Amino acid sequence: KAGVTQTPRYLIKTRGQQVTLSCSPISGHRSVSWYQQTPGQGLQFLFEYFSETQRNKGNFPGRFSGRQFSNSRSEMNVSTLELGDSALYLCASSFGSSGDYGYTFGSGTRLTVV
Amino acid sequence: DQQVKQNSPSLSVQEGRISILNCDYTNSMFDYFLWYKKYPAEGPTFLISISSIKDKNEDGRFTVFLNKSAKHLSLHIVPSQPGDSAVYFCAAILTGGGNKLTFGTGTQLKVEL
Repeated sequence: KAGVTQTPRYLIKTRGQQVTLSCSPISGHRSVSWYQQTPGQGLQFLFEYFSETQRNKGNFPGRFSGRQFSNSRSEMNVSTLELGDSALYLCASSFGSSGDYGYTFGSGTRLTVV
Repeated sequence: DQQVKQNSPSLSVQEGRISILNCDYTNSMFDYFLWYKKYPAEGPTFLISISSIKDKNEDGRFTVFLNKSAKHLSLHIVPSQPGDSAVYFCAAILTGGGNKLTFGTGTQLKVEL
């Protein structure tokens, strides 16, 4: 079966711009979570969407937002980019039901802010 | 505040020997733990997990041990193979608190011939 697909794989943006990243989950998965990976910080939870609703949110500023569509695909948006936003952004999908921790991660989008 | 810590950023072992990766956590409410392996330019891949009601879980060459009183878990890989060279992350979940993984900062394992 197809895995979690993230597009684009690489992105270079300028400070102050905004960016939208996309994640297509495994078919049948209704939960999509987003994580930011930076050197020394590990993976930090951004937010989780389930059935088009944000179910959980991490400690990131309001510049980071997301949404989920009826087909479970999710997008993440970062506005007014800062140099510190340079990171690998990963999404993970799962069925999302209680007790299900079978997360599958995509390969990520490498964002570089210059 | 880093609630899940992997204090060894790197570990080097010889092929065939045991690799032991350690992880400590501070939040006693965590009740489910997972280990992931990550190669460069790829997303993390699930390895093995353990519920807080157990103290050991085994899957082939991989065994995870959980010591709740010490808030410590470890991943044992026996025997270690060159293909095991990757970054290993432990992660914790507070079940009932949503599907949010709290990750450690990772340990780079290098298995040498």
